[in-house]
Amino acid sequence: AQSVTQLGSHVSVSEGALVLLRCNYSSSVPPYLFWYVQYPNQGLQLLLKYTSAATLVKGINGFEAEFKKSETSFHLTKPSAHMSDAAEYFCAVSEYRGYQKVTFGIGTKLQVIP
Amino acid sequence: NAGVTQTPKFQVLKTGQSMTLQCAQDMNHEYMSWYRQDPGMGLRLIHYSVGAGITDQGEVPNGYNVSRSTTEDFPLRLLSAAPSQTSVYFCASSYGGQGASEQYFGPGTRLTVT
Repeated sequence: AQSVTQLGSHVSVSEGALVLLRCNYSSSVPPYLFWYVQYPNQGLQLLLKYTSAATLVKGINGFEAEFKKSETSFHLTKPSAHMSDAAEYFCAVSEYRGYQKVTFGIGTKLQVIP
Repeated sequence: NAGVTQTPKFQVLKTGQSMTLQCAQDMNHEYMSWYRQDPGMGLRLIHYSVGAGITDQGEVPNGYNVSRSTTEDFPLRLLSAAPSQTSVYFCASSYGGQGASEQYFGPGTRLTVT
């Protein structure tokens, strides 16, 4: 069974500081991994995804994530936080089992302090 | 393209009432799904469909019904609303249900059951 663990339901960073949101997964098959962002009162939108083409994945708004198989991790980073990055971030793992089975983490709310 | 649309945006029901949450997409996606989002629990899959006429249960299907008569529409029916169904509901669609497919989310329906 697949699962996703996001460490830290709330993370606060200062504007301009490094953003690091942690995600660990378990999967019985090579996984597909996603990061989605949810701004207040909106649906989720894709930040980036890993599909085995490259271990370092670049996404929108300056975010990137590195797939580390040995650590079963897919942490999300951004070198310098902006106020507009304040949102909730969800890590998700996907497997194909005749249909796309997607499991989401519980989410991490990012607060950016001016 | 409008993408994924959901109606209504907000709804208040009394216990025992029934209602249908509407979801439509104009991207010709085969795969559609319904999630509920609750604080501290991430997104949980209620029902999904891999094409017109084909639906199946997700993680938390009790108290909900779905049907898929067209590729575009995927309504979610609450049969007899209960306070435990107070939540934010998201509809999502993707190309083919393959593991690597990105999901596109609607803006959500915020439901309160009193």
